[in-house]
Amino acid sequence: GEDVEQSLFLSVREGDSSVINCTYTDSSSTYLYWYKQEPGAGLQLLTYIFSNMDMKQDQRLTVLLNKKDKHLSLRIADTQTGDSAIYFCGYSGGYQKVTFGTGTKLQVIP
Amino acid sequence: DAGVIQSPRHEVTEMGQEVTLRCKPISGHDYLFWYRQTMMRGLELLIYFNNNVPIDDSGMPEDRFSAKMPNASFSTLKIQPSEPRDSAVYFCASSPPGGEYTGELFFGEGSRLTVL
Repeated sequence: GEDVEQSLFLSVREGDSSVINCTYTDSSSTYLYWYKQEPGAGLQLLTYIFSNMDMKQDQRLTVLLNKKDKHLSLRIADTQTGDSAIYFCGYSGGYQKVTFGTGTKLQVIP
Repeated sequence: DAGVIQSPRHEVTEMGQEVTLRCKPISGHDYLFWYRQTMMRGLELLIYFNNNVPIDDSGMPEDRFSAKMPNASFSTLKIQPSEPRDSAVYFCASSPPGGEYTGELFFGEGSRLTVL
């Protein structure tokens, strides 16, 4: 929604790095998330970061958080065709309610 | 283990008809969420429950929408009367109690609603 903004579409070549960006407005956010939605399926949690961290790495995924600018990014190294999906940025204030963005559709070109 | 189960997966109906979407959360999860996904607005939270009690329904678009959770294993989202602008994918998600909280919501596969 309007509290979380993402670009709608990103296209990359297989093997390149993908960077998906997100900006949010709620300064009280405690947890920030990246979820992945494959075609015809629900969302699955990809990774999350606490608001007191500025970076988290998990295999090919790197999450960067700039809390001052309220900017979150997801970098996928060595992007594969299986990474083609919609990626949602989201946040919560420390309880279960999660606010999501519009999602970024990642297209990986072989 | 069974995930979140939603039914129907697809529903096509005519304007003015009543639509009921159903959800069975993961056993042991005490939070249940209803989200709506559209191209224009992305994923919107409609309502969520904790221990079967509605906590926040501020996302419900209007009085035509209602949701219930009569017990820990079942919830419904009803639209009456339906309108073409209600066409969307409706997701149900659940999450475990706060002590196990990692922020992970477990989503069902969604119910795709088309109102003609």
